[in-house]
Order: sequence, then C-alpha cells, then structure tokens
Amino acid sequence: QVQLVQSGAEVKKPGASVKVSCKASGYTFTGYYLHWVRQAPGQGLEWMGRINPNSGGTNYAQKFQGRVTMTRDTSITTAYMELSGLRSDDTAVYFCARGTLGFARYWYFDLWGRGTLVTVSS
Amino acid sequence: QSVLTQPPSASGTPGQRVTISCSGSTSNIGSNTVNWYQQLPGTAPKLLIYINDQRPSGVPDRFSGSKSDTSASLAISGLQSEDEADYYCAAWDDSLNYYVFGSGTKVTVL
Repeated sequence: QVQLVQSGAEVKKPGASVKVSCKASGYTFTGYYLHWVRQAPGQGLEWMGRINPNSGGTNYAQKFQGRVTMTRDTSITTAYMELSGLRSDDTAVYFCARGTLGFARYWYFDLWGRGTLVTVSS
Repeated sequence: QSVLTQPPSASGTPGQRVTISCSGSTSNIGSNTVNWYQQLPGTAPKLLIYINDQRPSGVPDRFSGSKSDTSASLAISGLQSEDEADYYCAAWDDSLNYYVFGSGTKVTVL
C-alpha cells in the first residue's frame, strides 16, 4: 500500500527541539522528493522545505533556515524533520508529502501523511 | 498574508457550479504551474488538480482547473455535499524561492 506514516503527537517546551518521522512504503523512496508542510490551528498551509531522499540534498524555506533540518535514512525508507528553538507559534500539525523530482516550477504533492501535531507550551 | 489570493469562502446548492479564483503574480502563477488541494475537515490535504488542469486518477471530472496569465481557477460542477472542504491553490514562487499556498477557500454546500 502506497502511504506515508508519520510519528505520533509531541508536546514540547519553548526552546526545545522536535523530530518528526515519516515512513514511506509502497513506492520507490528515492524516486520522489519528500516535502514538509505545516498548518497552525485554524490556519492555512505553509511549506517548510524538501529533501531529495536519493542524494540527501535539501531546500529550506528562508523562514526556517537555521532552525530546520531534514534528513533521511534510505535503509528504512524514512524521512525526518527536526525543528529547533521551538516557540509557541510553532504549534501546528506537520505533514510530510511526496513530490515529483525535478524543477520546482512543476512541483506538486500527490501523497500526504496524516500529520503530526506538535504542541509547544510551557 | 499569502502571495496567492483566494476568496475566504464560496457556497452553492447541490448541483450548482462553484468557481474559486486564485490571484498571483508574474513570479508565481505567471511563470509556474498551479496545483489545487482539497482538505476535508480534520484530514490531510489531497491533490485535486496538478500542472494547471490535470486531474489525478480517482478525482471526479466535476473538478476542473484553468490558468490564465497570473490567475488560476478551480471549478466544481454538480456540487455535492461531500465537496464541503477547504481548497488551496499553490505554486512555486521564483522571487521568494518558496512553494506558496493560497490563503484557502472554504466551500459550503447549502
């Protein structure tokens, strides 16, 4: 079955870090980019960046540069998104999504994980 | 505030046609392809339209997308109750180096 399965909900204190995992199955893991998108409560979607599971190359949104790290482990077809220096406004559902390889102008996300709720609270 | 502007809401009765607009600029819609995502309440987004007007397998042909210059539109014909959801347009922005989503449009079936 083609799917992305994400890790469970997290509660973190301000200043801490969180690492969310996204396990891919049913397709060639290295044949697609893996993107991360977040959604704050009651808000819209926000792209955070992507990783090329084949090369490990990343592309981060400027807003998250210096705070986000995306990695992957091809042996277990799993991608990770780590966000550091958490603030209350990082409280959101974090989605991983599969995307096509190639030029960004053609990107689209055709498979999504169910999301991981990260709550930042003291 | 998103660089892709959508109306916050749209509505129609069952069977009607509803259109959602997405207004951008030359650095995003004007230069790159547009995608549309549907998000049902409490669920992950789902790809509805890709590369301006293409429907993934399994998406009913009631949904159609179009693009002209710096704007795009999503049309839902034969509106059904299960179409109640939030709809987002999205595209790559060459100036921001960022994949931008629209602000989202909530569709209500009256």
